[in-house]
Amino acid sequence: GEDVEQSLFLSVREGDSSVINCTYTDSSSTYLYWYKQEPGAGLQLLTYIFSNMDMKQDQRLTVLLNKKDKHLSLRIADTQTGDSAIYFCAESPPMNRDDKIIFGKGTRLHILP
Amino acid sequence: NAGVTQTPKFRVLKTGQSMTLLCAQDMNHEYMYWYRQDPGMGLRLIHYSVGEGTTAKGEVPDGYNVSRLKKQNFLLGLESAAPSQTSVYFCASRSRASREQFFGPGTRLTVL
Repeated sequence: GEDVEQSLFLSVREGDSSVINCTYTDSSSTYLYWYKQEPGAGLQLLTYIFSNMDMKQDQRLTVLLNKKDKHLSLRIADTQTGDSAIYFCAESPPMNRDDKIIFGKGTRLHILP
Repeated sequence: NAGVTQTPKFRVLKTGQSMTLLCAQDMNHEYMYWYRQDPGMGLRLIHYSVGEGTTAKGEVPDGYNVSRLKKQNFLLGLESAAPSQTSVYFCASRSRASREQFFGPGTRLTVL
């Protein structure tokens, strides 16, 4: 079955790098996503990676995909207090299957001063 | 563009009462979704719709009904609310051509 696993909490000092990890089960997933949820708000797409890519970089964000191990990570460089949020990893099956996106339970990132 | 909006933002119900949550999007998206978010559970899909007039069950559909009479609106109904339905409900939409889901701000529902 489809499942996405990620740790629930991560604490990082301001200015350090944050690395949030995720594992997924569906090897046929075509897209893998990172969504961010700030307090009291809905989810917002942060970045995504297509399954034929190993890495994607977007300013302070770096996404690494190890398709063999079904492991996805999100690295946030120079973590700021505004990065404090819940980060959701998600996967989506190929377009010719269900249109659902499977979300992990979310990792709460806490920034230490 | 307002994006995805949800009405109401907060609601308190008594067990057995009914209510309808409204989701509206102005992006002409074909797909719309209703999720619930509970502590430690992440987001769970309740129902979704791939177009006007069509709906499908998600992961946790029991106790909920939905309707998509107009492309821009997706309604979630609770016929007889139960305390287990206390949650934050999120609506999302996306276009057929994209995989990005756009989320509304959420509705916090408490069932006493």
